[in-house]
Amino acid sequence: GAGVSQSPSNKVTEKGKDVELRCDPISGHTALYWYRQSLGQGLEFLIYFQGNSAPDKSGLPSDRFSAERTGGSVSTLTIQRTQQEDSAVYLCASSLQAGGGNEQFFGPGTRLTVL
Amino acid sequence: AQSVAQPEDQVNVAEGNPLTVKCTYSVSGNPYLFWYVQYPNRGLQFLLKYITGDNLVKGSYGFEAEFNKSQTSFHLKKPSALVSDSALYFCAVRDITSGTYKYIFGTGTRLKVLA
Repeated sequence: GAGVSQSPSNKVTEKGKDVELRCDPISGHTALYWYRQSLGQGLEFLIYFQGNSAPDKSGLPSDRFSAERTGGSVSTLTIQRTQQEDSAVYLCASSLQAGGGNEQFFGPGTRLTVL
Repeated sequence: AQSVAQPEDQVNVAEGNPLTVKCTYSVSGNPYLFWYVQYPNRGLQFLLKYITGDNLVKGSYGFEAEFNKSQTSFHLKKPSALVSDSALYFCAVRDITSGTYKYIFGTGTRLKVLA
């Protein structure tokens, strides 16, 4: 079956521009997570969505970052006025549900480079 | 607050020898613990998890991990390493009594198995 997909796979942008990163979770998965992977920094939690509940935005590093999940499926992570320190690989993961100890299935990531 | 530590950035082991990748955690309540693996140019894949029950859990590719509550550890082990095990390994924790479904990942340990 189809896994988690992310687009674009690579994005190069200029400092100050806005970018949108897209995640298509596995069908039927109610939980969706966004992470940022920087070299030597591991995976940094950004935000998660669980069903129709309010998302946990506690990991978003600044108000330039926002995310939404439409119809309980596709999610978009938006970074406004990008900075060079935003350069990283952005990973999306989905799971059957956020609780219950379900494992996460990760997408291939979007590599963002801010010049 | 919850946290997880992977004290070794890199572990080198000879093929055929046993391997251990260390993980310690800190949570206020009870943890769910996970190991994920990231092969070169591939997404993160689930390896194994501890939810409840037996402290020794077995996972994919012959890996196992032991939950040790007194030492707050969840070290990943394999009796006989293969060159193909060379990858980046991440430990993750969630405090199931925290009221959040947020997972905290370690900074990763690069395993290099030498032929």
